[in-house]
Amino acid sequence: DADVTQTPRNRITKTGKRIMLECSQTKGHDRMYWYRQDPGLGLRLIYYSFDVKDINKGEISDGYSVSRQAQAKFSLSLESAIPNQTALYFCATSDYRGGDTQYFGPGTRLTVL
Amino acid sequence: GQQVMQIPQYQHVQEGEDFTTYCNSSTTLSNIQWYKQRPGGHPVFLIQLVKSGEVKKQKRLTFQFGEAKKNSSLHITATQTTDVGTYFCAGPGGFKTIFGAGTRLFVKA
Repeated sequence: DADVTQTPRNRITKTGKRIMLECSQTKGHDRMYWYRQDPGLGLRLIYYSFDVKDINKGEISDGYSVSRQAQAKFSLSLESAIPNQTALYFCATSDYRGGDTQYFGPGTRLTVL
Repeated sequence: GQQVMQIPQYQHVQEGEDFTTYCNSSTTLSNIQWYKQRPGGHPVFLIQLVKSGEVKKQKRLTFQFGEAKKNSSLHITATQTTDVGTYFCAGPGGFKTIFGAGTRLFVKA
């Protein structure tokens, strides 16, 4: 969905490096999410935020941190990247008034060597 | 914790054959959503079902929500190559959405 953008789209980095993935949305939604996708494992929730002052851990938050800089911006950081964090990362937004339908960004493919 | 399970994990069909994916929740759901992810793409919302026993159609796609609101299915009639991708079901789990692992559909022309 063009209303949700992610940068970078692809990133190759080395073990131990700090990485930040950024997400911006123009949908005006309060709720934002970070998911990780690995083959055969579907979408696993890393962190979610229901407003600027609200941050919650998902099912696989270890090794990750997030920052909600504004209603429209939600960034995901890997403080010290490791190879098993190689995956496809998606940002998503939702509006509870719309049944929490998730609108996904195009994804960031991260490779940690 | 709450789980949403989807079967099969993969399905290979010949173009023109039908396809069905099934979704089962460990708990009763207030609603269920279906998403499609094309190869190399991102998940895109298809539909939401809310009522017990609800059936909705989108062209060749038929979505059902079980009477007990714990299971759902997506059926595609006469698959086409444009149907390839991964289909996910998802349901509310507390304050967040729980996704099934998805069913990847391969269509051979």
